[in-house]
Amino acid sequence: DSGVTQTPKHLITATGQRVTLRCSPRSGDLSVYWYQQSLDQGLQFLIQYYNGEERAKGNILERFSAQQFPDLHSELNLSSLELGDSALYFCASSPRGQNYGYTFGSGTRLTVV
Amino acid sequence: KNEVEQSPQNLTAQEGEFITINCSYSVGISALHWLQQHPGGGIVSLFMLSSGKKKHGRLIATINIQEKHSSLHITASHPRDSAVYICAVEWGNEKLTFGTGTRLTIIP
Repeated sequence: DSGVTQTPKHLITATGQRVTLRCSPRSGDLSVYWYQQSLDQGLQFLIQYYNGEERAKGNILERFSAQQFPDLHSELNLSSLELGDSALYFCASSPRGQNYGYTFGSGTRLTVV
Repeated sequence: KNEVEQSPQNLTAQEGEFITINCSYSVGISALHWLQQHPGGGIVSLFMLSSGKKKHGRLIATINIQEKHSSLHITASHPRDSAVYICAVEWGNEKLTFGTGTRLTIIP
């Protein structure tokens, strides 16, 4: 157990639907990062939050949004799902941010049918 | 364009062999990470480097800032080392950019 908890582990849903992925960071870590790993694109950075505020944005689609709550857990919302959104979604946390190292969760495998 | 290249893409070796995986990047970085992803999908952070060399057990990571190159070495390789090894870099903006990974298979 890395200390970063992601739920659910697996999710199967239909096109057009909306899902929410949840991440609880390691105790004491203020930064949360979301990544997408698909077969054709590899691992890509989506978005980072630091202590409740958005800090950096990567290749995140407009259909996707995220937030970090006061207890530091984070949620990634994916809406109007398409087949191409099927991927592994990872959350990682770090104590502060840059150059502090990352701890990854076990990921959520999303399948859109 | 900021790029990260890894080589080889696939590597098969016999148990006990010394393994080297390479990572090159296009412009100066603030930090480089080596990650391990097992067949089950989970990702483990192995090393974070900004200069020099780090060692943990049988794993050694080095970085040459001038040449924009890093290597991950595994000594006395074992079948349990079979995994995908991924290089990722930070360019000072906290966004990790990932290499495509090296799939390592160690045969008993």
